[in-house]
Amino acid sequence: EAQVTQNPRYLITVTGKKLTVTCSQNMNHEYMSWYRQDPGLGLRQIYYSMNVEVTDKGDVPEGYKVSRKEKRNFPLILESPSPNQTSLYFCASRRSQGANSGANVLTFGAGSRLTVL
Amino acid sequence: AQKVTQAQTEISVVEKEDVTLDCVYETRDTTYYLFWYKQPPSGELVFLIRRNSFDEQNEISGRYSWNFQKSTSSFNFTITASQVVDSAVYFCALRVSTGGYQKVTFGTGTKLQVIP
Repeated sequence: EAQVTQNPRYLITVTGKKLTVTCSQNMNHEYMSWYRQDPGLGLRQIYYSMNVEVTDKGDVPEGYKVSRKEKRNFPLILESPSPNQTSLYFCASRRSQGANSGANVLTFGAGSRLTVL
Repeated sequence: AQKVTQAQTEISVVEKEDVTLDCVYETRDTTYYLFWYKQPPSGELVFLIRRNSFDEQNEISGRYSWNFQKSTSSFNFTITASQVVDSAVYFCALRVSTGGYQKVTFGTGTKLQVIP
């Protein structure tokens, strides 16, 4: 089954304790991205990656890091989490090559709910 | 910069009523794509429809219909004869050609509650 898998789905942590949210897709998609969803703010893009070793900031990158060492994986790293990073996080992927690639639809993971105390 | 506005924060309707969700977008690009996603209470994001900037043909799919108007920069979504299962948060999103379609901008969402 084609899917984007995020782990963990739920996490409660404390301020300053480094954590990584993993994201993996099995569709051979070039493009992957991370979003956070907060009440009243919708989904905001944190980072995205056009392909292996190619990453760039989205609209709210502060406090986050990403890496893209393999095509299928795009982990989100919080080096020193703070309470304002408490949120629902989504990873997504899509094809970004080929004709009309701008039309390709994002496939989202199930979401990771993070609470930072 | 791109912007998507969903002015309706929450809407409540009684089952079988029709409901329209509004989406207004801003971009200077002439080539772009618009999307609607549904987020049911279970939390996943489900793709509903996509439109490109060159295709103003409106579409009907079962109880759903979409009205895309470039003149007013709007991409509205209508549910006919709403059902309880339509209760969800609906997001409108915009992807522009500048920068190779790398970024997508979402609206803040409209929470629809269908009351039985």
